[in-house]
Amino acid sequence: QSALTQPRSVSGSPGQSVTISCNGTSSDVGAYNYISWYQHHPGKAPKDIICDVTKRLSGVPDRFSGSKSGSTASLTISGLRADDEADYYCSSYAGSNIYVFGTGTKVTVL
Amino acid sequence: EVQLVESGGGLVQLGGSLRLSCVASGFMFSRDWMAWVRQAPGKGLEWLAMIRGDGNERGSVDSVEGRFTISRDNAKNSLYLQMNNLRAEDTAVYYCTRGWLGTFDIWGQGTMLTVSS
Repeated sequence: QSALTQPRSVSGSPGQSVTISCNGTSSDVGAYNYISWYQHHPGKAPKDIICDVTKRLSGVPDRFSGSKSGSTASLTISGLRADDEADYYCSSYAGSNIYVFGTGTKVTVL
Repeated sequence: EVQLVESGGGLVQLGGSLRLSCVASGFMFSRDWMAWVRQAPGKGLEWLAMIRGDGNERGSVDSVEGRFTISRDNAKNSLYLQMNNLRAEDTAVYYCTRGWLGTFDIWGQGTMLTVSS
């Protein structure tokens, strides 16, 4: 039950695109499509933005998109905006009623 | 209004015990899986444990197995986390969250636990 691996930080200028990877194993990301992404502003509750690998939750702009290849999931933020600056986490089902989160990625808008 | 409100955090001595509570409102609590997630200072989110709506199925991470127990009282729309033999590394903000179709879609604001010697 090791945490999924994400880059510690990514950055981009307003309007650019950034992609966050989420590396798991054949027992979690590679085995299930219960992959979610969360946006977390410090001091606030996390907010789910993507579920089932690619589905945007209600109200989430289409600038956010998810994908998966093998044991790696990815979140792409297009048209980067200042209010996208936050911590982002992936999560995956790992079987036997267990979930695992990613290590988290800080997105900085330059 | 859909809401989760955690309580019970505070300052506890090393080796001590504490029970966190989470009260749900605005959705059919008894139907849904519920989970606890924590975030230690300067660290990422860590999924801890989950319990089915009827309380008859659970899952938990190895690092808290045997020390932390998740439970629920559907009559009180409440979720609990009993934490025993607390360690310094258990210091964190603890969130209660609803598991829904593979994602965690409703979150509380969290309750802070500090374990001190």
